[in-house]
Amino acid sequence: QKEVEQDPGPLSVPEGAIVSLNCTYSNSAFQYFMWYRQYSRKGPELLMYTYSSGNKEDGRFTAQVDKSSKYISLFIRDSQPSDSATYLCAMSLGNTPLVFGKGTRLSVIA
Amino acid sequence: GAVVSQHPSRVICKSGTSVKIECRSLDFQATTMFWYRQFPKQSLMLMATSNEGSKATYEQGVEKDKFLINHASLTLSTLTVTSAHPEDSSFYICSARVPAGAGNTIYFGEGSWLTVV
Repeated sequence: QKEVEQDPGPLSVPEGAIVSLNCTYSNSAFQYFMWYRQYSRKGPELLMYTYSSGNKEDGRFTAQVDKSSKYISLFIRDSQPSDSATYLCAMSLGNTPLVFGKGTRLSVIA
Repeated sequence: GAVVSQHPSRVICKSGTSVKIECRSLDFQATTMFWYRQFPKQSLMLMATSNEGSKATYEQGVEKDKFLINHASLTLSTLTVTSAHPEDSSFYICSARVPAGAGNTIYFGEGSWLTVV
């Protein structure tokens, strides 16, 4: 079993839809959870960062962590064509390299 | 958020030559930087962890004599691909960790496209 599992998609939604992206993990010692957005041929951009169970909201983005289920989610409200990208979940133990999911390719259709 | 800059963004070199890629943290001091390689439509593959003032820690299967990493200051790490070959052509990305007291988050550079001809 991989440490971090993420459905690679592709996921295609109409503009304005709510998008739900998810990752599961096996290592209960992970403490920090991040979501990155990566446009084609660019470096990943940090979207959300959290270290506790619960929800964290930033604009149209909400990150959710459920440590008991080892499950994290990213919700995108009112999705826009500009949100079309690959979304990577990542997590770490602290002073260790990030462990990434494979990334989910999202297309938002106008 | 914090800013990490990579240079060059694109480079073409001849087979057998060496090429250096720089990674700079512009507004914070990074004791730890990471170097990744990414093939098309694949996730990031960690190559090495670079700690300021000490030798880099390479992941299994990564040739340390081919991919030389230097982290000489708290704001600069370099990756030198030595004796490059066409199979080294790839997208190389660095990232830097913000100090724990400032969030412990990791920011990525824009990436460097290397083409070896």
